[in-house]
Formats: sequence, C-alpha cells, structure tokens
Amino acid sequence: ETGVTQTPRHLVMGMTNKKSLKCEQHLGHNAMYWYKQSAKKPLELMFVYSLEERVENNSVPSRFSPECPNSSHLFLHLHTLQPEDSALYLCASSQDLFGQGGEKLFFGSGTQLSVL
Amino acid sequence: QKEVEQNSGPLSVPEGAIASLNCTYSDRGSQSFFWYRQYSGKSPELIMSIYSNGDKEDGRFTAQLNKASQYVSLLIRDSQPSDSATYLCAVNAPMDSSYKLIFGSGTRLLVRP
Repeated sequence: ETGVTQTPRHLVMGMTNKKSLKCEQHLGHNAMYWYKQSAKKPLELMFVYSLEERVENNSVPSRFSPECPNSSHLFLHLHTLQPEDSALYLCASSQDLFGQGGEKLFFGSGTQLSVL
Repeated sequence: QKEVEQNSGPLSVPEGAIASLNCTYSDRGSQSFFWYRQYSGKSPELIMSIYSNGDKEDGRFTAQLNKASQYVSLLIRDSQPSDSATYLCAVNAPMDSSYKLIFGSGTRLLVRP
C-alpha cells in the first residue's frame, strides 16, 4: 500500500457514542495532520503532529482527542459529538512541517462523519 | 485574521477553452502558494506550487503569482471535462513562531463537453 490510508470511509454515530478514526501514512513523512472539511467552508486545521509530538491544537473542542503513537499512525478519538460536527475529516502528511519545506500535503481519502 | 479568498463558482467553460481561477490572500508575509484539485467525494490533490512572482507552467496548467497585489491564479489551457472539480488555493502564512497552511473555500469548475 502507498500514500495515506484512512478508515473508516463512512461513519454514522449517535451523540453518546465513542468512536475512533484511523490514519496511516506509508510515505516516510515526519508530519501528520487532521483537517475538518465542512460544506462550503475552507479546510480547517485541527491538529498537527511532528515526529509523534503534537505541535499545534487549533482550539478544537475536547470531544476530539488525537493520538499519534508513531510517525506513521494518527488517530482521532471522538466522544459525545454534536450534529454540527458532521463533516469530512481528512488526514494528511508532509515530509516536514510547514515552513520547513513541508508545505506539500498528501491527503487520505477522508472519513465522512454523520452525527445523529 | 489571515484569509484566503476564492470565488465559489461554479465557473463554467466549454471544452477546449482556458479556465482562469483566482485567489487573493491577506498576509503579505506569505511565501508559498499552492493549488489543490478536489474531485467530488475525493480528497484534495496537489497540482501546482509557486514561490516567486511570475508564471510557472506545468503541462496545461500555469500558476501566476503577484505578491504586490497579493494575488495568485491558476490557468488551465485546453480544458477537458475531466478537469471538472473544485480547485483549492492554499497559502503558507507565518503565524507566531511557525507557519500555517491556510486554504480558501475553493472554486468549482465545470467544463462543458
């Protein structure tokens, strides 16, 4: 497998559920990201990891909890979400962080999340 | 607040025409500029990057950058129906001690056969 792989592709969950999104990159990159894409809105950066260390948390509600166990894997743990959290969640990776030559992002296929 | 602005479209052009997609950005400190293509239901894919003023050509695509006017554009020559997608402009803007890649909302392009 090559590139950035995300699972699941689709997820429907109730507001009281707990679920996790998984991302794996096979590119040997050092930085990984979670983005949220809502209809008609720009991509919103949620979290940034560099070499497994979180370097940015963009004022994201605590009901979203990221985890990066190693430089190839990234998770987004979800709990007690709200209907307005329904969106496409995209994982991305880059060779290095923004501003260090790492602006070229490679995206996964995304998880389309619906919160009922 | 740092912003990247794009016309949401749709921009409709006939097959074989030149499609011109435009983007403006607010932060004069921005150094790197990117165009991503996103097909419906798919993830964004990088198609062009530009770092200095002027034009950069890659096949049917030309990126144009004017830092004085804070303007970046993408021209698609000989447009094909397969070019129909949403095109996202992204700008690497300095923020605090690091950088952020800020995306526009995208312009939807429709190429009519």
